[in-house]
Amino acid sequence: AQKITQTQPGMFVQEKEAVTLDCTYDTSDQSYGLFWYKQPSSGEMIFLIYQGSYDEQNATEGRYSLNFQKARKSANLVISASQLGDSAMYFCAMREENSGGSNYKLTFGKGTLLTVNP
Amino acid sequence: DAGVTQSPTHLIKTRGQQVTLRCSPKSGHDTVSWYQQALGQGPQFIFQYYEEEERQRGNFPDRFSGHQFPNYSSELNVNALLLGDSALYLCASTPRRAGANVLTFGAGSRLTVL
Repeated sequence: AQKITQTQPGMFVQEKEAVTLDCTYDTSDQSYGLFWYKQPSSGEMIFLIYQGSYDEQNATEGRYSLNFQKARKSANLVISASQLGDSAMYFCAMREENSGGSNYKLTFGKGTLLTVNP
Repeated sequence: DAGVTQSPTHLIKTRGQQVTLRCSPKSGHDTVSWYQQALGQGPQFIFQYYEEEERQRGNFPDRFSGHQFPNYSSELNVNALLLGDSALYLCASTPRRAGANVLTFGAGSRLTVL
């Protein structure tokens, strides 16, 4: 069974500084995908970044980067130059990808509440 | 271009009642998934629909059922409501094609069971 662990219930960061949100995962699958989603108080889950298990380079999307360490089974999210609008819940998730692309089940962690201070 | 839309946004029911939640996928998407997010937890996968059939199911009892219509919209039905069914119910859509990795989520329907 797949499992996602986010050990930081809450994190604080000063505006314009960088912050790292931790995520470790457990799976016996060889092919899987790792995702980070942001959930503001409105409730909508907003996709941030994706990393495939066979991708050799760390994924980047604007101010977001994913620090993927396969041997350690970690997929930490790095947000550079934090903004006040980054304050939200952040969820790490994974999906098994052996089914020819037909698996749509994501397994989520419990999330980290990020607060950006001015 | 509208994203995933869900209705109603909030509703209150009592134990034993039945509820129906609705979801319209993003334009161009034909696969719909439903997730339950209890307070303080991450979302949990309920089931996924494609071509009007349930294709995958998570660890939820038969009280949870769904439907997908020819226009790809979907409903989630929960019968015999329990207090523990109180949660945010999220709908997500994606196009069913190779390489379509990302689920697009709606803002959810918040259900309170009294």
